[in-house]
Amino acid sequence: QKEVEQNSGPLSVPEGAIASLNCTYSDRGSQSFFWYRQYSGKSPELIMFIYSNGDKEDGRFTAQLNKASQYVSLLIRDSQPSDSATYLCAVNTANAGNMLTFGGGTRLMVKP
Amino acid sequence: ETGVTQSPTHLIKTRGQQVTLRCSSQSGHNTVSWYQQALGQGPQFIFQYYREEENGRGNFPPRFSGLQFPNYSSELNVNALELDDSALYLCASSLGGWAGETQYFGPGTRLLVL
Repeated sequence: QKEVEQNSGPLSVPEGAIASLNCTYSDRGSQSFFWYRQYSGKSPELIMFIYSNGDKEDGRFTAQLNKASQYVSLLIRDSQPSDSATYLCAVNTANAGNMLTFGGGTRLMVKP
Repeated sequence: ETGVTQSPTHLIKTRGQQVTLRCSSQSGHNTVSWYQQALGQGPQFIFQYYREEENGRGNFPPRFSGLQFPNYSSELNVNALELDDSALYLCASSLGGWAGETQYFGPGTRLLVL
């Protein structure tokens, strides 16, 4: 079983809709959770991070964390074609210093 | 732009050769992590350097080695290249090597092994 799992997609949403991206993780001791966006041929770009249970909002993005269910999600409101990219979930697992464990990414396509 | 730079941007090598990749961290950051990203997969942690010392290592063989210099720039060396080493190599810098510290990625070096 992979430590961090994401649906590979593609997830297709119409412009203006809400895109919901999900990630599950296996290590209950995981403490820090990050979402990165990666455009084709480019490097990952940090969108946001979350440490505590609940929601964290930043502009059109909302990260949701549920440690009991070992689940973290990213909501993108008012999706734009420029949001089309692969979204990577990364987890800082317990006793692993600052090592990030990444999921395989979800490809999002926003159609005009 | 994160302020993290990597060189070269692209590289072609043949099996059995050795390669050195370079990374300059963002100003004020003393920690550099290296990741390997194969096509269609998420990045995999290779190792991390904090103030010139290795601060953690992923599941990579010893032919993957690294260095960090006093100015916190870093090198990744790979010996005896194999075809499966073809990947995007990412360097990430952070303010420190402690858990939860945000990592910012450079543009990457794309390595092709023939």
